[in-house]
This record gives sequence, C-alpha cells and structure tokens, in this order.
Amino acid sequence: NAGVTQTPKFQVLKTGQSMTLQCAQDMNHEYMSWYRQDPGMGLRLIHYSVGAGITDQGEVPNGYNVSRSTTEDFPLRLLSAAPSQTSVYFCASSDGWGNTEAFFGQGTRLTVV
Amino acid sequence: DAKTTQPTSMDCAEGRAANLPCNHSTISGNEYVYWYRQIHSQGPQYIIHGLKNNETNEMASLIITEDRKSSTLILPHATLRDTAVYYCIVSITNTGNQFYFGTGTSLTVIP
Repeated sequence: NAGVTQTPKFQVLKTGQSMTLQCAQDMNHEYMSWYRQDPGMGLRLIHYSVGAGITDQGEVPNGYNVSRSTTEDFPLRLLSAAPSQTSVYFCASSDGWGNTEAFFGQGTRLTVV
Repeated sequence: DAKTTQPTSMDCAEGRAANLPCNHSTISGNEYVYWYRQIHSQGPQYIIHGLKNNETNEMASLIITEDRKSSTLILPHATLRDTAVYYCIVSITNTGNQFYFGTGTSLTVIP
C-alpha cells in the first residue's frame, strides 16, 4: 500500500492562475479531507468528503473547490490563486466513523507570487 | 468540536518519560481524544486515541481523567527522534476525521 499520495510536492503559481492538487489513497477509505498549514500554525480544515459524491466545507473553504467522483481520489482545485493561499496543503483519509486513525499525505508546498 | 489547550513548548531529557498535558474542558460525551505529531513539517502521524479509558500502544500511553476534561500523553522513553510538534485533538465520532488542530506542543528531546 502506498497510503495517501499527494502530487505535486512543490508548486509555484502566479496570482490568478488555477491549478489542481491531487490526492489519492489506496486503502479504500471512505473519508478524505484537505487541510492547509500556514507557518507556525496548526492545520486548518478546508473541505472534506464522507464518500464518493459527497463533499462539504470545513473551516476555511473560500477559494477552493473539491469533488469526489471515486473513492480513491479527492482533488483540490484553486480557482484563482492568491498570495494568501501560499501554504502547505495536506490530504488525509480514514475508514471509520471516528474511533480510527487518519492517514496524512506528505504535503504539497504551494507558493503564489 | 471541543477546543483544546496545550503548552506551547516543552523539553525532555533523552531516555526520560515525556508527559504532555492537554486540557479539553468542553469535551462532549461522544468525542474521542486523539494525539498526532508532526516532525519537520511532514504529514501528521497518528499516535494514539481514547474515549474514557486509559490506552497504551507501542508508541505511547494516554491517560484521560475521570471527568474527561484533561488528558496526558506519555512517551515512556523519549528519543531524539521524538522531537516534534504534538497535537491534542478532540473529535466527534460520527463525522469522519474532521480535526480542528490548535498550535500543539513543540517537544524538544535533549541529549
């Protein structure tokens, strides 16, 4: 098992550009989430999904879109990148109704200039 | 989800037990206490979780007070590789792992 795989690892965007951060898991987990982490801060929840076709907003959803067409993949789209979106993005997955651990990817470091 | 309070930083001598406290005074009856750690800005790593009873695994022990308003993560024999930021999180059981992270405790293990 590869676990949770995020691509790319690093990305530089210009203000106004769009892009998609990829997240894939091979553990057949129902739950997937996206977080962002700013310097010196904890992770903040952007969007999450409790199964294919179901997504919902987290704490900081503005400027981001998600979709969940398959169990394995949960891409995060930046519609029009802004410098405030410079951050490290983490994807996570888990298989339970709580009472279970979440697995995190290694992160995508995004810089918007 | 209930909020947690942790000390900003702690030091621990290598080989000694590291005891990391967490206050979660507004925890609800259906919320678990989770501990994760993050080493060098890598993805967070699961350590342990519990509901009411104390828990132990190969990495650590979790002690939850009887009123569930606080807990302590114990690393029994800290090594240099345990230097990391440790996050205490409480989470509702039936909505997947939607975690609300605080800033955690930065643990430094000293040789």
